Amino acid sequence: SYALTQPPSVSVAPGKTARITCGGDNLETKSVHWYRKKPGQAPVLVIHYETDRPSGIPERFSGSKSGNTATLTISRVEAGDEADYFCQVWASTSDLVVFGGGTKLTVL
Amino acid sequence: EVQLVESGGGLVQPGGSLRLSCVASGFTLSDHYMDWVRQAPGKGLEWVGRIRNKANNHITEYAASVTGRFTISRDDSRNSLYLQMNSVKSEDAAVYYCAREDSGNFVWGYWGQGTLVAVSS
Repeated sequence: SYALTQPPSVSVAPGKTARITCGGDNLETKSVHWYRKKPGQAPVLVIHYETDRPSGIPERFSGSKSGNTATLTISRVEAGDEADYFCQVWASTSDLVVFGGGTKLTVL
Repeated sequence: EVQLVESGGGLVQPGGSLRLSCVASGFTLSDHYMDWVRQAPGKGLEWVGRIRNKANNHITEYAASVTGRFTISRDDSRNSLYLQMNSVKSEDAAVYYCAREDSGNFVWGYWGQGTLVAVSS
């Protein structure tokens, strides 16, 4: 089955830049989306189709992809950005949708 | 304003059944594919399944982990989505979210707040 790999945790000081990666086989052929999940809250779409930011998401959030690795970048990190971040693709395999294991972003 | 409100969660025994509901407002439900996604305690997000819109004959698709046990249905006239959970297992314990696909592409711009399902004898 298809799998997406994310680092379990990323730590960053306020005002700095956080980068969260997501790797997978043939990821270059798939569209990658990113969700933010805070405890007790619904997931929020922060980036879709690798680079597009939904309305209401700050410009500090950006996405990119190179080869088989997608990256979510959060600039000028704030305390409120602390959350779990998940990448997701339409895998077109027996499990149509695959999420990465999630990355816990800690703001120091 | 788009809103999705889940209900029906609770405690279910292993092997038992439970039916979750999701009431939609602020948009025309019949136009959209709708999904269920869950998060087990301390775990990541897991897609459960989806039901296509009326134009696509309400076709359903499921994750392998729930195929044959869970059934997704909808009543567009009641603005409602359902998840019938049968033969429930301990690993089904999770918060269940309903979510609206943007355009049949497994991208969810709107989510409900979730309903908790606990499994215990």
